[in-house]
This record gives sequence, structure tokens and C-alpha cells, in this order.
Amino acid sequence: DGGITQSPKYLFRKEGQNVTLSCEQNLNHDAMYWYRQDPGQGLRLIYYSQIVNDFQKGDIAEGYSVSREKKESFPLTVTSAQKNPTAFYLCASSPTGSTDTQYFGPGTRLTVL
Amino acid sequence: AQSVTQLDSQVPVFEEAPVELRCNYSSSVSVYLFWYVQYPNQGLQLLLKYLSGSTLVKGINGFEAEFNKSQTSFHLRKPSVHISDTAEYFCAVSGAGGTSYGKLTFGQGTILTVHP
Repeated sequence: DGGITQSPKYLFRKEGQNVTLSCEQNLNHDAMYWYRQDPGQGLRLIYYSQIVNDFQKGDIAEGYSVSREKKESFPLTVTSAQKNPTAFYLCASSPTGSTDTQYFGPGTRLTVL
Repeated sequence: AQSVTQLDSQVPVFEEAPVELRCNYSSSVSVYLFWYVQYPNQGLQLLLKYLSGSTLVKGINGFEAEFNKSQTSFHLRKPSVHISDTAEYFCAVSGAGGTSYGKLTFGQGTILTVHP
């Protein structure tokens, strides 16, 4: 089955630790995205990548980092510099361009203790 | 820059009643418009999208939306809701050009609760 997988579904970390969230897609999509979701705030774009080895900051990139070494993978690292990392994180992909539907993964809920 | 405002944070409705979820947007360029649905602790699923052409767009699960350029709105409607429609709904806009190209901006979400 084609789709987007995110792992783990739930993640707990201590304050001050870096943590990496996984996102893999087998849809052969060029573009991939990371969003953060907080109650009542909708989804906010963290980083996006339209091609391998290239990525751009979104609206709330501070305290996060990404890499895009392979077309199918777009991991997100939440660093200790992120002041309020507890949230639901969603990864998405699209074939390319703004007319294409973005397909979403199931999400990872990160809780920092 | 572009922005999306969903005018209602919560909409309660009885089963088999009609529903409208309101969405207004602002953008300095032409836009593409989307409605997504999210069930609890899951990712988002596309309901429908407007790219061009007919302003009335039909989507999955009996939903439809109408693009109104003069009012910069894209309201979502369903003539008769089911319990299974209980979810959070997000309106989103993507710019057709410029620096907004390829980036989705989401509204704050509307929680639709269908009561028996």
C-alpha cells in the first residue's frame, strides 16, 4: 500500500533532549512538509522540501532542523532550543506544486516532560 | 502573505440536519482552496479542493463548497449530516504564484459535533 508513515505515534522526552521524528513516503512524491498542530491554532508549517537535498524554512522553523537526503524520507529534529515542543506533529507529501493535494501521515504526538 | 479565518471554532448540530462551516481568506495573489477533515488522533484527509472553473465544488462524503471571490469565502456545506461526520475541519489556502507557491496556510479549525 502506498502512503506516508510516521513513527513513533507517541513520543516522550525529557526537557533539554533533542528528538528526531521519522517521516517516510512511498508515493514517489517530490515535495514533503512538516507541520505542528496545537489546539485551536490549526496547522503551522515548520519546514518544507520540494526536492532532494533542498529545503526551506516555514513559518515556525526556530528550534527545529530537517534533512532531505532521500526522496522518500524527511526526518524532523526537535532541538533543545525549541521552547515549547509538546505538540502533535504532522508530515505531508505532494507530487509537486501548489495545485497538488497534500497527503498526510498519521502524526506523532510529542510530549516533553 | 495569505491568511485563513474559520469563523466558528465549534459547531454542534443534530443528525440529519444541514450544516455550513464558514471560511474566509485573504491573499495578494490568486489562490487555490482546500477543505480537510481530521478524525481524533489521525492525520488530515482531503474533502475537496477548488483550483479553477465552476465555483461549486463537490467532494467526498456528500460535502460541497462554494468559492465566492467577491466575498473571499469558501464555505463548506452538507445537506444532511451523520454521526460519523463528527470531526475537526480545516480550511486551507495555497498561493497560485509568488512566494506562497506550494505552501498551504491553514485556518484554526472547526470542530463539528453531530448529536443523535
